[in-house]
Amino acid sequence: GNSVTQMEGPVTLSEEAFLTINCTYTATGYPSLFWYVQYPGEGLQLLLKATKADDKGSNKGFEATYRKETTSFHLEKGSVQVSDSAVYFCALQGGATNKLIFGTGTLLAVQP
Amino acid sequence: SAVISQKPSRDICQRGTSLTIQCQVDSQVTMMFWYRQQPGQSLTLIATANQGSEATYESGFVIDKFPISRPNLTFSTLTVSNMSPEDSSIYLCSVEAVGGTGGEQFFGPGTRLTVL
Repeated sequence: GNSVTQMEGPVTLSEEAFLTINCTYTATGYPSLFWYVQYPGEGLQLLLKATKADDKGSNKGFEATYRKETTSFHLEKGSVQVSDSAVYFCALQGGATNKLIFGTGTLLAVQP
Repeated sequence: SAVISQKPSRDICQRGTSLTIQCQVDSQVTMMFWYRQQPGQSLTLIATANQGSEATYESGFVIDKFPISRPNLTFSTLTVSNMSPEDSSIYLCSVEAVGGTGGEQFFGPGTRLTVL
């Protein structure tokens, strides 16, 4: 079945550091890929998405490229801020249902 | 976008009791989803609720334990029945974005449940 694997956290960075959170997936066919973010005390929000190979999703300075050859969708940001501290979830959706499959989440803590 | 509210935001319950969680959306939606997020874990889909039909449950979840109602296009409830400490989780509802591919969902703030 479909599955998502993402790097374990927590990831602790200083402000303005470069961020990478790894995400790889297993799926049949051509799934859509997503990054969701959960800020402290809030519900999940869609951060960015990509629906086909080589697509790059971007939002709020974050980027992720759909790499079919490596089945990856790594999240990157060139310069993180304290306000980026949150849990980040990689997810995929594909097949006959609308079901979202989530990774285990990665806690990012950015220190001033 | 859709604005989703949940009640209660948190509760502490005794073993063996039941809790009903409400989910209200500010627009009419066809499908609503209920998820569980256990401590330190990812989100797991419990069931999909369509208005006017029985909810569709995922493997490992049954209607007797998690009955769902969907009386109209803006509202749903999830009941956690005969609770045990293992049911301590955050429960979230979500809806699909209009015109989305299905993976774009809006989530409520969650209900944090602690069972003693």
